[in-house]
Formats: sequence, structure tokens, C-alpha cells
Amino acid sequence: GENVEQHPSTLSVQEGDSAVIKCTYSDSASNYFPWYKQELGKRPQLIIDIRSNVGEKKDQRIAVTLNKTAKHFSLHITETQPEDSAVYFCAASSGSARQLTFGSGTQLTVLP
Amino acid sequence: DAGVIQSPRHEVTEMGQEVTLRCKPISGHDYLFWYRQTMMRGLELLIYFNNNVPIDDSGMPEDRFSAKMPNASFSTLKIQPSEPRDSAVYFCASSFVAGNTEAFFGQGTRLTVV
Repeated sequence: GENVEQHPSTLSVQEGDSAVIKCTYSDSASNYFPWYKQELGKRPQLIIDIRSNVGEKKDQRIAVTLNKTAKHFSLHITETQPEDSAVYFCAASSGSARQLTFGSGTQLTVLP
Repeated sequence: DAGVIQSPRHEVTEMGQEVTLRCKPISGHDYLFWYRQTMMRGLELLIYFNNNVPIDDSGMPEDRFSAKMPNASFSTLKIQPSEPRDSAVYFCASSFVAGNTEAFFGQGTRLTVV
């Protein structure tokens, strides 16, 4: 089955700096890669996703890149703000499996 | 739509007792997922349904766990008997087309088995 590795497990940045979280996946058939943000005590919520026919996608301060050849994808957050502090999960899904396999999560802390 | 609704939000039970967690998916969604979240193991998929039919239950940890979806608007996850190591947050999620669209999560049920 699919295996998703996520790094780093914790990340601290100064407010205004950029944050980058990286994930790798194992199943070359995977074609959908969402990122979820989970604030303390709350549910995971989708912040951005990318499909395998696209190499990059942006939404304001958030961007995701995908390298299908290397089987890795990354989340980039620019101009970080304290409210960006949360746990971020990457995930991958292949057409055959249909379900999402999640990475282990990254605790992002934005220091004021 | 109110989103995915789970109940109860918190459950504290004694070891050996039966626990039933409930989920109402978003209307029109035909996939429903049950996840378990712990610090040690992260987000684990336990089972998922398509059109009320269980498709993959390979993530169910053992026979003490069972899940049902009697209709399109209701699912249960049952643990019998419960054990302290079952303590976790259990999330239900639903989506329209699994694997290629957003999965919407419920608020979760925090289960504590003492």
C-alpha cells in the first residue's frame, strides 16, 4: 500500500519568515495530494490540494509543489503569522486505493 | 449543510465496557471514513464505506472493533470490550468521490478508557 513520509516533525519560524514542509510517497499511481491543517483540539481541515497533472499550485500565502518523478511534494507558507501555528498533515491517494494515506504531521510554531 | 456530525464529543468509559461512536456524513457524500488519531501513530484509517458498503476494513485493529453503516446518513463504530489502549480521538470523514476530492472531517470523539 501507500506510504507517506513527512518532514520535519516540528518546525519553528519567526513571524514573517517562510516555512517549508516536505513529504514523499511510495505509490507511483497516487494522483491526489491534499494538505490539512489541524489546530489544537480541532478537526483537520483542507488548506490546499494538488493533482498529479499539475506541478505547482498557489493560494495567497500558501503554495504546494509536486515532483512526480521524485515522488515528493512540499507545502510552502510565506509571510507566516501566529495563526499559522498548527499541525500540518500531507496525504496521498491513488486511484486504485481511493482512500487517503496521511503523513505523520508537522507541528509548526510561528514565534511572534 | 452542518458538516459531518459526530457524537459524543467526549466519552469516558471503564475498561471492558462497550463504546459506540456515531457519525452523520454530509448529505450526498457517498464515501465515509473512520480514522483514529493518537500521538504515537498519527492519523490511521480504520475502515471506509462506499454507498453504505464496507470497502476496506484492513485498518481495524482487532475483532473488538466493528463498524456499520445502515443507511446513507448514519454510521457507527463500536468497540467491545474497550481497553485503555483504545484511548484516542476518533474522526469520521466523508467525501463525494474518494481519493480525488476533499475529505470533510467531523469534530471527532475523544475517547478515554480508564
